[in-house]
Amino acid sequence: EIVLTQSPGTLSLSPGERATLSCRASQSIGSAYLAWYQQKYGQAPRLLIYATSRRATGIPDRFSGSGSGTDFTLTISSLEPEDFALYYCQQYGSSLPITFGQGSRLEIK
Amino acid sequence: QVQLVQSGAEVQKPGASVKVSCKASGYTFTDYYIHWVRQAPGQGLEWMGWINPHSGSTTYAQKFQGRVTMTRDTSITTGYMELSSVTSDDTAVYYCAREPFYLYYMDVWGEGTTVIVSS
Repeated sequence: EIVLTQSPGTLSLSPGERATLSCRASQSIGSAYLAWYQQKYGQAPRLLIYATSRRATGIPDRFSGSGSGTDFTLTISSLEPEDFALYYCQQYGSSLPITFGQGSRLEIK
Repeated sequence: QVQLVQSGAEVQKPGASVKVSCKASGYTFTDYYIHWVRQAPGQGLEWMGWINPHSGSTTYAQKFQGRVTMTRDTSITTGYMELSSVTSDDTAVYYCAREPFYLYYMDVWGEGTTVIVSS
């Protein structure tokens, strides 16, 4: 099973600042197989990024993804108030089971 | 619009079974996998398995093998997830989500179904 470790656990920033969230895999993952989701309290997850760097439909361009191998990053270039939420990375395709990271919480400073 | 609408909250006793439905609309049901993912209170996301609505074939996470059954009814574009012999550890929100075949991401999610297991 591929374990995904996200850091930091909690990131405290202000609107307008840049956020960088990390996802590290226990073994190498193909770039096609890494996705990012946003989850707000009481809501279902929402797809943000797939195939490491491709934005899902309707996702603003302040969200970007990068990385390869075992290290992946989600960057939010300039935080909007609605961006404060939980973020999960997910791997799927390199091997089963599909796994998610434990999540990173982005909170308002 | 594309949506997945799930059945309502359930309360079950330990040892019982629970069955959650996921009604798809706005797209061709048989062109996308349906995954089931759960989230225990205050915890992260846990993948349970998927069903191919076209063929009916399934793949389950090893953790749930023997206890989970995923089915579908193409005539009413609905997927189902049944979990048997539930315990308090199965208390969670259960989500269905669709995946475009072989694209490795879940692009539309249901709203979630809360399942509480309590005596």
